[in-house]
Amino acid sequence: GAVVSQHPSWVICKSGTSVKIECRSLDFQATTMFWYRQFPKQSLMLMATSNEGSKATYEQGVEKDKFLINHASLTLSTLTVTSAHPEDSSFYICSGTDEYTDTQYFGPGTRLTVL
Amino acid sequence: SQQGEEDPQALSIQEGENATMNCSYKTSINNLQWYRQNSGRGLVHLILIRSNEREKHSGRLRVTLDTSKKSSSLLITASRAADTASYFCATDDSYSGGGADGLTFGKGTHLIIQP
Repeated sequence: GAVVSQHPSWVICKSGTSVKIECRSLDFQATTMFWYRQFPKQSLMLMATSNEGSKATYEQGVEKDKFLINHASLTLSTLTVTSAHPEDSSFYICSGTDEYTDTQYFGPGTRLTVL
Repeated sequence: SQQGEEDPQALSIQEGENATMNCSYKTSINNLQWYRQNSGRGLVHLILIRSNEREKHSGRLRVTLDTSKKSSSLLITASRAADTASYFCATDDSYSGGGADGLTFGKGTHLIIQP
């Protein structure tokens, strides 16, 4: 299957700082990528849809000014958590859709811990 | 919002036995996908079944889809200790028309295979 990478794998930061997470599709082009969040022992919740060359679409309840998304190319989307707070600590997972198969492939996730 | 509900929430069986997990959803869908997640890791795509398909096989996996009941099942035959993981169903609803959509995940079934 197609491969999606994320960087970093985990990050610990102080409250009030900003953290950028990168998501790359390594062997396919993804005009659309997605960002999900997963709290411990819970399922994944879609945060936003990242569209190459246009603004991201955010799910209800997700603050677009706090979670900045940039989809600069067909293989790279970034999520920046601005002014992070302890409640933003979570597992952030991105995905990209292989449009030939409609299959959504997920990155390995980034564990964010805000102190 | 989540629309998928898996049951059981957790399941423990002996190695070699078959494991069956069920998923129900609420809206019309384009397709349904099953994923596996090992603790604290990313998601591994297992199988995609389209709304016009009723059954699909992949190795030891068998997935069924009943759109009239809005339900799907995942059967893992001859289970192995390495199958221990959380299993999620995810739906791509049909409301948004063409283009890639974010997935709506169920709550997951935690499967434990005892050696």
